[in-house]
Amino acid sequence: EAGVAQSPRYKIIEKRQSVAFWCNPISGHATLYWYQQILGQGPKLLIQFQNNGVVDDSQLPKDRFSAERLKGVDSTLKIQPAKLEDSAVYLCASRPLSWIRQGVDTGELFFGEGSRLTVL
Amino acid sequence: TQLLEQSPQFLSIQEGENLTVYCNSSSVFSSLQWYRQEPGEGPVLLVTVVTGGEVKKLKRLTFQFGDARKDSSLHITAAQPGDTGLYLCAGRSGGFKTIFGAGTRLFVKA
Repeated sequence: EAGVAQSPRYKIIEKRQSVAFWCNPISGHATLYWYQQILGQGPKLLIQFQNNGVVDDSQLPKDRFSAERLKGVDSTLKIQPAKLEDSAVYLCASRPLSWIRQGVDTGELFFGEGSRLTVL
Repeated sequence: TQLLEQSPQFLSIQEGENLTVYCNSSSVFSSLQWYRQEPGEGPVLLVTVVTGGEVKKLKRLTFQFGDARKDSSLHITAAQPGDTGLYLCAGRSGGFKTIFGAGTRLFVKA
C-alpha cells in the first residue's frame, strides 16, 4: 500500500514570495491534516479536512495561508506572502474516517515525509 | 486548551543504557500515541494506548498509560544507536483533534 506522498521535499524562497505544497493521502483515507513543525518543536495542526470539507482550521493563519482539497483526495497548502517565521517542515497526514482499536477511535495518523521550507 | 508536556527535551546516552521519557497533561485523553521521527522523515507510529494503566511492549520499548489517562511513559531498555530520534507523544481529545507534545530528542552514542 502506497503511503502519504508529499512534494516538493525541499523549497527555499525569499520572504514575501509564495509557495505551494501538495499532498496525496493514502487511498481511501477520508481525513487529511496539514501540520507545521518548527525546528525543535512538535507538529502543530494547521488544518483538518474530512473528505472535501474543513473540520478545523482554527490555527491556520488565514491572512497568508490557504488550503484546499477540492475533490476530497489530494490537497494543496499555499503560503502567500511567506515570512521568515514560516520556515518549518510541513507535514501531511491522513487516516480513515474511523480507526477503532480496543473499542476506541484512536486518532492514529499516517504521515508523509514532509516538505521542508526555508524562507530567506 | 489541552497540552502535552514531554520531558526531558533532550537526552544523550551511551549504548546499552536504559532510559525513560515522560508525557504529561492535566487533561484526560481517550487514547495516546507514541511516534518516532527520524531526521528528514515524518513521524511513524510506535504504539497506541487506550486503557488506563495499560502497559504495552514493543521489543525493548515499554509504554505505559497512566491510570487516570492523563500521562504516559516510554522506557527503553539497553538503548542502541538505532533508537536515536525524536519521540513524540500525541493525544486524541473527545473531539477529532490530535495534539502533539514538543518531543524528546534522543541520541544514543555507540
